Amino acid sequence: AQSVAQPEDQVNVAEGNPLTVKCTYSVSGNPYLFWYVQYPNRGLQFLLKYITGDNLVKGSYGFEAEFNKSQTSFHLKKPSALVSDSALYFCAVNHNNAGNMLTFGGGTRLMVKP
Amino acid sequence: DTAVSQTPKYLVTQMGNDKSIKCEQNLGHDTMYWYKQDSKKFLKIMFSYNNKELIINETVPNRFSPKSPDKAHLNLHINSLELGDSAVYFCASSQSFAVEQYFGPGTRLTVT
Repeated sequence: AQSVAQPEDQVNVAEGNPLTVKCTYSVSGNPYLFWYVQYPNRGLQFLLKYITGDNLVKGSYGFEAEFNKSQTSFHLKKPSALVSDSALYFCAVNHNNAGNMLTFGGGTRLMVKP
Repeated sequence: DTAVSQTPKYLVTQMGNDKSIKCEQNLGHDTMYWYKQDSKKFLKIMFSYNNKELIINETVPNRFSPKSPDKAHLNLHINSLELGDSAVYFCASSQSFAVEQYFGPGTRLTVT
């Protein structure tokens, strides 16, 4: 069975500082990894994905993530945080399962303070 | 130009009732999904539906049933509602496997 862990319930960072939101996964074989963001009372928005190729993937709003196979991690990063980045972030994995269904981590709340 | 829409946005009902939530996507996608987000914000897949093939998460009670009148719609019907069904339900769609899914705004279901 596939699983995703986001070890931090909340990450606090000052505006302008770099941010990292951690994600580790457990699947057999090659994973397909995703990051989504959820703003209050809204649906999830896609940020970026890793399918194959370059381990560093770039996504929306200046976010990027690094796939590390040996550490089974897919941490989300941004060089300079904005207050408007404050939201709930979800990591997800799809392991070629029937129905293309995503397994989500528990979510990490990012708080960026001015 | 909403890509994935859901109705209603809020649904308050009593235990034992039957209700439906509608979902429509105008993206031309061939796969649609239903997710449940509980009060702790944990997201769980319920169903995946592609070309009339339904994949069910084994943990979903059979009181929940998706119904797809056509490729652009996947409605969620819930029988005999229980207090534990209170949650936010999200519909999503994607074009194919291993690509991003687009989510609707969610329907907040409250069972009293």
